[in-house]
Amino acid sequence: SQTIHQWPATLVQPVGSPLSLECTVEGTSNPNLYWYRQAAGRGLQLLFYSVGIGQISSEVPQNLSASRPQDRQFILSSKKLLLSDSGFYLCAWRPGRENEKLFFGSGTQLSVL
Amino acid sequence: EDQVTQSPEALRLQEGESSSLNCSYTVSGLRGLFWYRQDPGKGPEFLFTLYSAGEEKEKERLKATLTKKESFLHITAPKPEDSATYLCAASILTGGGNKLTFGTGTQLKVEL
Repeated sequence: SQTIHQWPATLVQPVGSPLSLECTVEGTSNPNLYWYRQAAGRGLQLLFYSVGIGQISSEVPQNLSASRPQDRQFILSSKKLLLSDSGFYLCAWRPGRENEKLFFGSGTQLSVL
Repeated sequence: EDQVTQSPEALRLQEGESSSLNCSYTVSGLRGLFWYRQDPGKGPEFLFTLYSAGEEKEKERLKATLTKKESFLHITAPKPEDSATYLCAASILTGGGNKLTFGTGTQLKVEL
């Protein structure tokens, strides 16, 4: 069966520090991968998605970047964190077929102080 | 602009008190309507997908329905373990493929 791993679960970082969140999927190949951010009282905002190795699409301009160095690995990064980067970050995947449901990871609560 | 709106924002029920959550959508070209359950500090967990008006799906005490403008999540005789935030999302076909637009959720609290 397929599983998705996301870490760390919580992270407290000072403003201006770098960020690296990692997500891996097991039990499937060539998944579509996604990074979402969820702010309190707001819906899930799509940040990046990837349909293959090295292929990254950005939904909103921001202080973050994403990379997909391997088929089942998706990384969210920042060179210098801002206060506004605080939030709950979720990695998700779905099969390459269109219109399938998303499977979410357990999330990372990021606090930038 | 594509929009998904959920109501109410929060709902408090007594155990056994049935109710419905609403998800209204204004999108061009709906490909599917998804319902998720999210517990505090965790990722959303998939519940249902509805593809066409008139479709219904059930799972235990939950039933989801879909019309051309909205979807309802009916909760029959809820229990405290049904307490969670319920999210709906509309799948829309864009130039970049199918895109999910999420609502802000309904926070449900079921009390004894």
